[in-house]
Amino acid sequence: QKEVEQDPGPLSVPEGAIVSLNCTYSNSAFQYFMWYRQYSRKGPELLMYTYSSGNKEDGRFTAQVDKSSKYISLFIRDSQPSDSATYLCSPAGDYKLSFGAGTTVTVRA
Amino acid sequence: NAGVTQTPKFRVLKTGQSMTLLCAQDMNHEYMYWYRQDPGMGLRLIHYSVGEGTTAKGEVPDGYNVSRLKKQNFLLGLESAAPSQTSVYFCASSYVAARLSQLTQFFGPGTRLTVL
Repeated sequence: QKEVEQDPGPLSVPEGAIVSLNCTYSNSAFQYFMWYRQYSRKGPELLMYTYSSGNKEDGRFTAQVDKSSKYISLFIRDSQPSDSATYLCSPAGDYKLSFGAGTTVTVRA
Repeated sequence: NAGVTQTPKFRVLKTGQSMTLLCAQDMNHEYMYWYRQDPGMGLRLIHYSVGEGTTAKGEVPDGYNVSRLKKQNFLLGLESAAPSQTSVYFCASSYVAARLSQLTQFFGPGTRLTVL
């Protein structure tokens, strides 16, 4: 069983739609929950993170964590073509990152 | 500030050949990492270093060696390349000051390696 399972996608949505991305994880020691964004043929870059359970909002992006069900979500509101990328969930703990396989999102203009 | 740079960007090898991938960072980060990224597998940690002169094994270290002779450089070596090592390789670095800083990794642009 993989430590992190991410909905594989790909997702294709029209501009302005809400994008919902999800991951589950198995290690209850994870405390930080990161989301990385990776544009085509580029390295990943940190988009946002949350600590423990709860919600965090950053502009059009909202990250949610439910530690009781080991479920991580990222929502993108009013999606733009510039949001087209692969999104990697990355739960972390004990100085170690684990990565989901990524979900590729295409936002159509 | 160049951030994290990787050399080369692309490489094609024949089975059994050797090569070295170079990673350099100008952010004075203590920690450096090498990952490989394969379709459907996500990023997997090969080796990492917590400081100059130190290295440690990650999740998939077999077939690779690393060295960190200078704080700003982290080298990944393939002694005898195999087709299973065809992948995109990413280097990353992070601060050591606090746990969240360590977990906030800055990635290079990647090296696309094909082994025939």
